[in-house]
Amino acid sequence: DIQMTQSPSSLSASLGDRVTITCRASQDIANYVAWYQQKPGKPPKLLISVAAILQSGVPSRFSGSGSGTDFSLTISNLQPEDVATYYCQKFTGVPLTFGGGTKVEIK
Amino acid sequence: QVQLLQSGPEVKKPGASVRLSCKVSGLIFTSYGFIWVRQAPGQGLEWVGWISANNGDRHYAQKFQGRVTLTTDTSTSTVYMDLRSLTSDDTAVYYCARKPKDLATDYWGQGTLVTVSS
Repeated sequence: DIQMTQSPSSLSASLGDRVTITCRASQDIANYVAWYQQKPGKPPKLLISVAAILQSGVPSRFSGSGSGTDFSLTISNLQPEDVATYYCQKFTGVPLTFGGGTKVEIK
Repeated sequence: QVQLLQSGPEVKKPGASVRLSCKVSGLIFTSYGFIWVRQAPGQGLEWVGWISANNGDRHYAQKFQGRVTLTTDTSTSTVYMDLRSLTSDDTAVYYCARKPKDLATDYWGQGTLVTVSS
């Protein structure tokens, strides 16, 4: 099975900072990666699909990149409402594995 | 609009079984696959399994093989998850979600808390 290794597991940054979360697949998965944001007590929300396609309504400060085995989610200009846990997921081929998550906090 | 409405919280004893439901509306049910994902308290997301509402094809995460069954009822646009031989490790919030073919999971239910305790 393909593993998805996400890092860091947590980070603390200042308002307005640029934050990058990485996700590494154990095998080439082309660009079949999605990124989700999850706030406490809520289901995950799809932010980015196919590694880089921003979903409708998601602020443009979120961006995704990567292909093959290395992917990243960047939040430019970190805002208070971005406090959440972020997950990557491979979305083709079972199992549909998630990364371990990255908890983002404001310093 | 697309909605996935999950059944209410469950409290079960170890060794029991649980059936969760996920009623879907606002889409053509048989055009999609659906997944179940669980989240233990304070933990990350764990994929449980996938089922096609078109033809009933299904895949399960290896750790749940033999203990989980996903089914659909096309007459009511409902997806079900049966989980057997429950242990305290199965205490989690269980989410159902829409999984279009070759696209990311996009719509999620509100989650169902399953508590396993003696």
